[in-house]
Amino acid sequence: ETGVTQTPRHLVMGMTNKKSLKCEQHLGHNAMYWYKQSAKKPLELMFVYNFKEQTENNSVPSRFSPECPNSSHLFLHLHTLQPEDSALYLCASSQRPLADPYEQYFGPGTRLTVT
Amino acid sequence: KNEVEQSPQNLTAQEGEFITINCSYSVGISALHWLQQHPGGGIVSLFMLSSGKKKHGRLIATINIQEKHSSLHITASHPRDSAVYICAVSAGTSGSRLTFGEGTQLTVNP
Repeated sequence: ETGVTQTPRHLVMGMTNKKSLKCEQHLGHNAMYWYKQSAKKPLELMFVYNFKEQTENNSVPSRFSPECPNSSHLFLHLHTLQPEDSALYLCASSQRPLADPYEQYFGPGTRLTVT
Repeated sequence: KNEVEQSPQNLTAQEGEFITINCSYSVGISALHWLQQHPGGGIVSLFMLSSGKKKHGRLIATINIQEKHSSLHITASHPRDSAVYICAVSAGTSGSRLTFGEGTQLTVNP
C-alpha cells in the first residue's frame, strides 16, 4: 500500500465511450502525475500537476483531459479513444514537482482496453 | 537510443543466487531511481540515490556519476523478488520529472 489509490483497476471501453479514471493520494503531497505504460515500452509521462495547476503536458492528444480539483485528487477524462490507447495508466504523487528530485509514490494503475 | 538503458532485458535465476541489474544513462542527472513493478502493475520505489551506495535488506544500489552507471544487486534471491525492475533518472534541472528505462524482467525459480 503506497498511499495512492486508483479506480477503476480495470476498464474496457468502446471508441465512442466517455469514461474517467480517478486517483487519490493520502500522503499530503502537492504534486501529482499521470503516466502511460504500453506493452514493451518505457513509462511515458503524460501530465504533471503542482498545487492543482497543470505544469506539464507532454504532447498528449486532446482525447485525454486531466482534471485536478485539489492536491489530493486527480482525474483523467477519456473520450473517443483509439485502440492504441490501450495501456496501463499509472498515477503518482510526490512532495514537490519539479524543483528537486523527490521519490514518487505510484498507484496500482488502471488497465485500460479500448475495443 | 534511449537516454536510459538497462541490461539485461530478461534475467532468470535460481533461488539464492546473487543478481545484478545494470543501468546506463546519457544525460546529466540530479538523482537516479530504482523501481519495482509486480505483475499486478503497481510500482514501488526501492531507492533514490545521487552518489555512492544504498542498502535496504537484501537490496543494494550503487551509482558511479562519472561513468553514468548504476547497478541494483539482490543478494540471496527469492521467488518473491520476481518482478520488473525499472531504472529512472531525474535529469538535470527537471527535478522530479523522470525518464525511464525499459525495465528488466527478473524471474527467480525455486
